[in-house]
Order: sequence, then structure tokens, then C-alpha cells
Amino acid sequence: GAVVSQHPSWVICKSGTSVKIECRSLDFQATTMFWYRQFPKQSLMLMATSNEGSKATYEQGVEKDKFLINHASLTLSTLTVTSAHPEDSSFYICSASRTSGRSGETQYFGPGTRLLVL
Amino acid sequence: QKEVEQDPGPLSVPEGAIVSLNCTYSNSAFQYFMWYRQYSRKGPELLMYTYSSGNKEDGRFTAQVDKSSKYISLFIRDSQPSDSATYLCALALGGNNRLAFGKGNQVVVIP
Repeated sequence: GAVVSQHPSWVICKSGTSVKIECRSLDFQATTMFWYRQFPKQSLMLMATSNEGSKATYEQGVEKDKFLINHASLTLSTLTVTSAHPEDSSFYICSASRTSGRSGETQYFGPGTRLLVL
Repeated sequence: QKEVEQDPGPLSVPEGAIVSLNCTYSNSAFQYFMWYRQYSRKGPELLMYTYSSGNKEDGRFTAQVDKSSKYISLFIRDSQPSDSATYLCALALGGNNRLAFGKGNQVVVIP
């Protein structure tokens, strides 16, 4: 159990276009989903935390108008990179936390989406 | 001072050796301690999860937590080439489930 999928696994786009990445919890309901980005040989950097049915909470320095997050259901969250630029090229990873009601429930990660903006 | 310190390595060991990884942290309020394994170009995979001081074993993996010293460790016995990956420690306060990650430790097991 606790499988998280992401789609697409990789995407190449032109500068100025928008890209949507989907994150799904396949076998559990996720109250909270997280979005991270990771640069080569670096650790994960939390971008935002999203709770089903409410607005996402963005980390300091992350532009909420550029990285639009929607968590419409307990199994789906989307990240849209708007007007993408080459510096947005990165590995984007989502994670999901189960609605167990227990404090400290850990996060289960998706396989990641590699974005390359030309 | 960063919340979580982890020496990024890399660490190369011969097959069959014991791999020892560790992280230190500064906030004594952390209650939950995890180790994730990440293969190249993949998402992190949960290896170990614990919330109390002491040792927890799962097969060839042992997670050790010392809350008084704010120190956590991961040991891999009888290491295999398939263990070659980056290992990330992650800590949580609880409640909001926000994780504080270490930088990650790249491990290479040489056949």
C-alpha cells in the first residue's frame, strides 16, 4: 500500500508555456500533499503544502502565481508551472500523507517529474 | 545552524561491508525520524520510520535514534550493489507532517 504516482514522468516544453503535473495517491486517501523540487546532487526543497479543499501554503521564496497548486480531491493534487523559463527546469516530486488522524504520519513520495524548459 | 546536518559523502564500500550513515539535528522537538532511499532519477522510497530512542531493525537495515544526543543513524548490513543509492534522513515535529531533510548521503557498494 501507500503508492503515489506522478504524470508525466518527464516533459520538455518551450519557454513561456505552462506545464501541469499530476500527483495521485493510488491506494489511500491523502489529506495533505506536498510538492518538492530537487536540483542535481541536492536534497529536496519543499515548495508548498496543500490540503484537500483549501489553498496551498507556499514556502518562503516560492512564487504562488508561478507555481499553481490545486488539491481538488483526496487522491489528486496538481502543480502547474506557468510561463515556464529555463531556470524552472528541475526534478519535481510530490508526496502524500495518509488521513490516518495520527500525528507524525510519514510521507510517501511519487516517482518524480523531470521538467526541461528550452 | 541548519535544522538537520548530514555529511553528503560520497561513501564507497565493498560488497558485504556494513554501511553506517548518520544525521544530527538541533531541534529537540523533533519526534519522528525517517530514512529514505533515493535511486538516481527516482522519487525517495521510505526505508525506516521510528519515533522513539533506541534501535529498530528491518532485515538488513537498522535505524538508531538517540534523542539525548540529537543523533540518528542507519546501518546496512551485508551491503549489496543494489544498495547503491542516496540515503536521506528526514525528521518531523508531528502534527503538520512537514519534513526536515538532510542533504543526503550517496552510497556506492562495489561488487
